[in-house]
Amino acid sequence: GQNIDQPTEMTATEGAIVQINCTYQTSGFNGLFWYQQHAGEAPTFLSYNVLDGLEEKGRFSSFLSRSKGYSYLLLKELQMKDSASYLCAVIDSNYQLIWGAGTKLIIKP
Amino acid sequence: DAEITQSPRHKITETGRQVTLACHQTWNHNNMFWYRQDLGHGLRLIHYSYGVQDTNKGEVSDGYSVSRSNTEDLPLTLESAASSQTSVYFCASSESMELAGDGGQFFGPGTRLTVL
Repeated sequence: GQNIDQPTEMTATEGAIVQINCTYQTSGFNGLFWYQQHAGEAPTFLSYNVLDGLEEKGRFSSFLSRSKGYSYLLLKELQMKDSASYLCAVIDSNYQLIWGAGTKLIIKP
Repeated sequence: DAEITQSPRHKITETGRQVTLACHQTWNHNNMFWYRQDLGHGLRLIHYSYGVQDTNKGEVSDGYSVSRSNTEDLPLTLESAASSQTSVYFCASSESMELAGDGGQFFGPGTRLTVL
C-alpha cells in the first residue's frame, strides 16, 4: 500500500526553528508538496520538490531525499501565525496525490 | 483574479436525503477533485475529473457521484446521506500534475456537512 508518515503534533517557541519530517512509501514518485492549512481553512501551497536537495523560500525551506523516501519542512524565525497544520503529499506514478494526515504545529510565545 | 468557490459553506441534512455540493473554478483548469477531510486522516480522494465528460472514482467513492458537463463545475452528490458522511469537503483544481511546480492543486474554502 501507499503510506505517508508525519508526526501528529509538534510544539515550538516563537522565534525558534522547527523541522517537520515526512517519510513516504508510494508506487512511484513524481514530486512532493508541502501545504499549510490554518484551522477551518483550505490548504495552501508552500513548496514543491522533485529533485534531491534543499529548496529555500524565505523563512521556509523544504528538503528531499528520494533514495530515503524522506522530506522535511524547515520553518525559521517562527511567528504566531505559523500555527497551522502542515500537510505532506506525494505524486505517485499515476500522477495521483497521496496525502499524509498532517502535522499540527503549535507555536508558544 | 481566478478562484475556486464552493457552496454551501455549511450544510445540515438528515440521513437518507440527497445532497449536492457545488464547486466552481475560474482557473480554466481541466483537472478537478473532491476530497473529504476528517480528524486523524489525510485528505481522502472521493472523485476526480480530467476534463468535460470524464469522471473517475477515488479511494472513498461509495455513496458519492459527480458529473462534469463543463470545464468550470464539478458538483458532488451524496445519493442518500449517511452519518458517516459528516465531514469537511474540499474541492480542488489543477492545471496538471506534470507541471506541478506551479503550485499543484488549488483548493476551495470547503463545505462543512453534518448529517443527522
